[in-house]
Amino acid sequence: SAVISQKPSRDICQRGTSLTIQCQVDSQVTMMFWYRQQPGQSLTLIATANQGSEATYESGFVIDKFPISRPNLTFSTLTVSNMSPEDSSIYLCSVGVGGTDTQYFGPGTRLTVL
Amino acid sequence: KQEVTQIPAALSVPEGENLVLNCSFTDSAIYNLQWFRQDPGKGLTSLLLIQSSQREQTSGRLNASLDKSSGRSTLYIAASQPGDSATYLCAVRPVAAGNKLTFGGGTRVLVKP
Repeated sequence: SAVISQKPSRDICQRGTSLTIQCQVDSQVTMMFWYRQQPGQSLTLIATANQGSEATYESGFVIDKFPISRPNLTFSTLTVSNMSPEDSSIYLCSVGVGGTDTQYFGPGTRLTVL
Repeated sequence: KQEVTQIPAALSVPEGENLVLNCSFTDSAIYNLQWFRQDPGKGLTSLLLIQSSQREQTSGRLNASLDKSSGRSTLYIAASQPGDSATYLCAVRPVAAGNKLTFGGGTRVLVKP
């Protein structure tokens, strides 16, 4: 299994500002994933973060809006830039572990943009 | 493109009744299917993972079946308890998508005492 922590757990931000979310894993993993869950919705993959290379973004998500860092095999950050109320969501990171590649998720960061 | 559907979207049962949650997917080319539980405002907790070669997995009161050819999985929760109240999400890992998961919309479960 994997133990994943995220900081902050929640935040309330003003429109036009940026927030950086941290994700820490208790073991080394090749790929880390960032998801967004809008209110009442299911999860949507934002991007895949590989250590040592640029993140791969899904359709509808761009690096200027969601820059990602992956400085080592246990840590990643996601920045939500120039926020608007539509960015209010829970942001979750996840990793795959073990031979079965079971996916484990962090506790999430609940973001509210006013 | 893989699509995952969960029906019903919400379910309310009296305590002690068995829960049956359904998940369907459009493309049978998957590596595995995973069931998660999510409490309000929280992250996801992995419940069960079924490999594409398996037909079911069991953990305590939970049993998940997989019929890959028909694109269906069912999560059974025996003797439901109020603590089982949560949203249950299924996700598939399509062969064509590498390590990415495709999620269903979830089933919100309420177990009444």
